[in-house]
Amino acid sequence: QPVLTQSSSASASLGSSVKLTCTLSSGHSSYIIAWHQQQPGKAPRFLMKLEESGSYDKGSGVPDRFSGSRSGADRYLSISNLQSQDEADYYCETWDRNTRVFGGGTKLTVL
Amino acid sequence: QVQLVQSGAEVKKPGASVKVSCKASGYTFVNHYIHWVRQAPGQGLEWMGIINPSGGTTAYAQNFQGRVTMTRDTSTSTVHMELSSLRSDDTAVYYCGRLASDRTGAGTFSDYWGQGTLVTVSS
Repeated sequence: QPVLTQSSSASASLGSSVKLTCTLSSGHSSYIIAWHQQQPGKAPRFLMKLEESGSYDKGSGVPDRFSGSRSGADRYLSISNLQSQDEADYYCETWDRNTRVFGGGTKLTVL
Repeated sequence: QVQLVQSGAEVKKPGASVKVSCKASGYTFVNHYIHWVRQAPGQGLEWMGIINPSGGTTAYAQNFQGRVTMTRDTSTSTVHMELSSLRSDDTAVYYCGRLASDRTGAGTFSDYWGQGTLVTVSS
């Protein structure tokens, strides 16, 4: 089954941009993934589905500041004009038949 | 609007069982798989298993095989997750999530989440 690898932490300044990475394991580079945001003390929130092509579909109410892209086995979540409420944990998710897999999560700090 | 509302917090002793419910509304219940994910304090998301509300078929993560049971009640649009033989390291927030359906009706990614249920296992 696929494995998703994420950096444990990232930081960027208020108003700047950041790009978070989720890497699919060897042999699984074509998989679709989803990005989720988890603010402190809250449930996860679906942000977007990201296809192998790099096209993405966002969830309801997700700001335009959030976008997705890909390069090979890497899937990216980009956030522009960082706001304080973007400080959160970000998880990627994929699936293979009836199994779901989550990355370890990236803790984003907004400075 | 789609909502998944979970049951309240539980405190259990080691060796006991816990049953957490997830009531769905705002969509056709049988058209979307539901899965369960847990999060231990300060840790990431751990996938537990999946249920197809249409036929009730399930698939469980290897780590939970033999200890977890997922069921559904189509009359109340509710999915239940029961975890038995509880240990202290089962202390976690348990989330249900609805899975978006692909063209064949199979479950894909989580597009809606419940609010979470804290289960504390302590003697």
